[in-house]
Amino acid sequence: KQEVTQIPAALSVPEGENLVLNCSFTDSAIYNLQWFRQDPGKGLTSLLLIQSSQREQTSGRLNASLDKSSGRSTLYIAASQPGDSATYLCAVSTNSGNTPLVFGKGTRLSVIA
Amino acid sequence: DAGVIQSPRHEVTEMGQEVTLRCKPISGHNSLFWYRQTMMRGLELLIYFNNNVPIDDSGMPEDRFSAKMPNASFSTLKIQPSEPRDSAVYFCASSFQRNYGYTFGSGTRLTVV
Repeated sequence: KQEVTQIPAALSVPEGENLVLNCSFTDSAIYNLQWFRQDPGKGLTSLLLIQSSQREQTSGRLNASLDKSSGRSTLYIAASQPGDSATYLCAVSTNSGNTPLVFGKGTRLSVIA
Repeated sequence: DAGVIQSPRHEVTEMGQEVTLRCKPISGHNSLFWYRQTMMRGLELLIYFNNNVPIDDSGMPEDRFSAKMPNASFSTLKIQPSEPRDSAVYFCASSFQRNYGYTFGSGTRLTVV
């Protein structure tokens, strides 16, 4: 059974700092990996989708990497801003059929002005 | 594209009452997922459909929970009778193919008193 772990559970950084969020998964036979952002009391917003054949994806100040063989992904946020404060969730889809995403419990990020 | 639409946004009901949550997936998407989010357990998959057919309902906690997808544009999640421990945020998500990732609705916050 696929399990997804995110470390740290919470992170507080000063504005302007570069930071890395970590995600690990137990079964490396994934189809793709998706990073989401969730603001308090809101739904999930997709940030980046990495296919299993890809090593990284970039969108603006965000860069996500994938090392499938070691079961790890990182989300790098450059020059953090208070507006980046949210919970970041990592989710993986395994290889067999159109199977659902399995989520980590997220990292709660606070960027302090 | 209006995205995945869920209703109601908030529901407060008394223990023992029937609750029906609704979801309209993105037009053209052929998979639909129901997730439940709590502080303790994070996001958990309840059930998912491919082409309107239920594929895996092993995440449905009890027989009190049921879900239907009568057509490609509508799904319901019903709880009867509801209990206080059912209080959570319920999310619906849809996807076309896994290559394109998932899109989530804004969720229904259910409170059972």
